[in-house]
Parts: sequence; C-alpha cells; structure tokens
Amino acid sequence: EAGVAQSPRYKIIEKRQSVAFWCNPISGHATLYWYQQILGQGPKLLIQFQNNGVVDDSQLPKDRFSAERLKGVDSTLKIQPAKLEDSAVYLCASSFPTGTGSHEQYFGPGTRLTVT
Amino acid sequence: QKEVEQDPGPLSVPEGAIVSLNCTYSNSAFQYFMWYRQYSRKGPELLMYTYSSGNKEDGRFTAQVDKSSKYISLFIRDSQPSDSATYLCALRRSGAGSYQLTFGKGTKLSVIP
Repeated sequence: EAGVAQSPRYKIIEKRQSVAFWCNPISGHATLYWYQQILGQGPKLLIQFQNNGVVDDSQLPKDRFSAERLKGVDSTLKIQPAKLEDSAVYLCASSFPTGTGSHEQYFGPGTRLTVT
Repeated sequence: QKEVEQDPGPLSVPEGAIVSLNCTYSNSAFQYFMWYRQYSRKGPELLMYTYSSGNKEDGRFTAQVDKSSKYISLFIRDSQPSDSATYLCALRRSGAGSYQLTFGKGTKLSVIP
C-alpha cells in the first residue's frame, strides 16, 4: 500500500513570497490533515478535512494560510505572504475510521520550508 | 501548564538496554494515546496506539497508560541502534468531529552500539 505522498520535499523562499505544498493521501482515506512542525516541537494541527469539507481549521492563520481539498482526494496548502516564523516542516497525514474509532493517522515525509 | 508534557532529552543508552519514555497530560478528555517514531528528516511513523488504561505489547515495544495519573509510557526492550530516533507521544480526545492529535515535544533517543 502506497503511503502519503508530499511535494516538494524542500522549499526555500524569501519572506513575503508565496508557496504551495501538495499532498496525496493513502487511497480510501477520507480524512486528511495538515500539521506544522517547528524545529524541536511536536506537530501542530493546522486544518482537518473530511472528504472535501473542512472539519477543524481553528489553528490555521487564515490571514496568510489557505488550504483546499478538491474532489476529496489531493490537497494543497498555501502560504501568502510567508513570514520568517513560517519556517517549519509541513506534514500531511490521512486516516480512516477503525472499529475502535481511533482514526490512526499516517504521515507523509513532509515539506521542509525555509523562509529567509 | 501545557496539555502534554514530554521530556525532550536527549536520551542516550547502550545497545540492549531497556528504554522508558514518558508523557504526562492534564486534560482527562484525552481518550486515545499513541506513540510515533520520527527519524531525522522523515514524517512520524505510528508505533503503538491504545484507548484504555493498562498495557499493550507489540514485539519489543510496550505502551502503558494510567488514566488515573494521566501518565503514559513507552518501553523498548533490547534496544537497537535502529531505534535511534525521536519518539513523540500523541493524544486525542474522544467524540465525533475533530480528530486532532495533541503531540508532546518528542524525546530524542540514541542507542549506542
């Protein structure tokens, strides 16, 4: 079974520029997540999709971050304009419901963003 | 007080040692408990999950949850150099809707041959 795919793997941009990340979840996983992981910290949820609808975006900085999941499969996360503090690894994860309701989440390799 | 506390280490042990990794949490709404392993420049990989107090074993790994103390542990027996990674505890609230995981900071483990 193929895992969660993300691209690009690395991106360097200057502050105030825009950037976009792409994610393809595991086939059949209806739920998709974007997390931000700052160096030395655990991942923090930015947004959760159920199919193509947003379930939780309470921690998404909506003045500069946006995300969409067209057709309930692939997703893109965009930052415009980027700030220095956006330097982090952006992780995409997907999950499926289990009998226990645990929704085990499977992560992609992440996109490492450096804002200079 | 942070919702999830995890000692970031680093923790260095000799090969073959038993490793104990721990997290404490403050919110009793957390009902699902997971451990992820993250190698350098990779995404987190799910190791163990449990949703009840007690122990769960999988090979060399044992996850332990004590809801009364709000304390979770991961034990690694016969540790190997390939276990060298950052270990993240992750907790989730029960109920429908958001399946947000709340992570600890992670503990960086090095197993020395």
